[in-house]
Amino acid sequence: DQQVKQNSPSLSVQEGRISILNCDYTNSMFDYFLWYKKYPAEGPTFLISISSIKDKNEDGRFTVFLNKSAKHLSLHIVPSQPGDSAVYFCAATTRARGSNYKLTFGKGTLLTVNP
Amino acid sequence: GAGVSQTPSNKVTEKGKYVELRCDPISGHTALYWYRQSLGQGPEFLIYFQGTGAADDSGLPNDRFFAVRPEGSVSTLKIQRTERGDSAVYLCASSSDSHTGELFFGEGSRLTVL
Repeated sequence: DQQVKQNSPSLSVQEGRISILNCDYTNSMFDYFLWYKKYPAEGPTFLISISSIKDKNEDGRFTVFLNKSAKHLSLHIVPSQPGDSAVYFCAATTRARGSNYKLTFGKGTLLTVNP
Repeated sequence: GAGVSQTPSNKVTEKGKYVELRCDPISGHTALYWYRQSLGQGPEFLIYFQGTGAADDSGLPNDRFFAVRPEGSVSTLKIQRTERGDSAVYLCASSSDSHTGELFFGEGSRLTVL
């Protein structure tokens, strides 16, 4: 049973527009959420995170929104750039256990930003 | 090097053979992790080392899989009697702090079992 779900395998947007990537989770024990970005033949790289005590975290062009009641989070990229084209993974963990290393990942969404 | 280094980058082996995958973490990082990414899936946790000891090996799928980190730096993931279902990208990551530290991933070792 997938505890972290990314229901859109792919997303295509025009350069300069907003990209919205969605993620749903089922485990109510998750209290920390992360987005990782992965280019082909490279390892995932950390992008942005959010604690369950917040509903929004912003870092430059990237904003993550968390809706705990709906068990849903989303990543907004504004404006989108061709270099943002990559696979984006949503991940979650339970920090209250005392560690954040055991990440549960979604299957990823391939974002393509067209010039 | 500056990042997490994994070797080999690609490994093709036959069913039943033994395989070793190596990870060299970022210098000074005490925590090291192995994840596995199968085709079309996200990475899945395998094992976590704090120093030389395996603090959590709950993600290892069965006793054919074993990992060591004898000196608290380089780690080796060992797979015995490989099966076709073991084919995946094996990702290593390290961090300075297992509680709050960001995980830095290597490029992975792609294992193909024929």
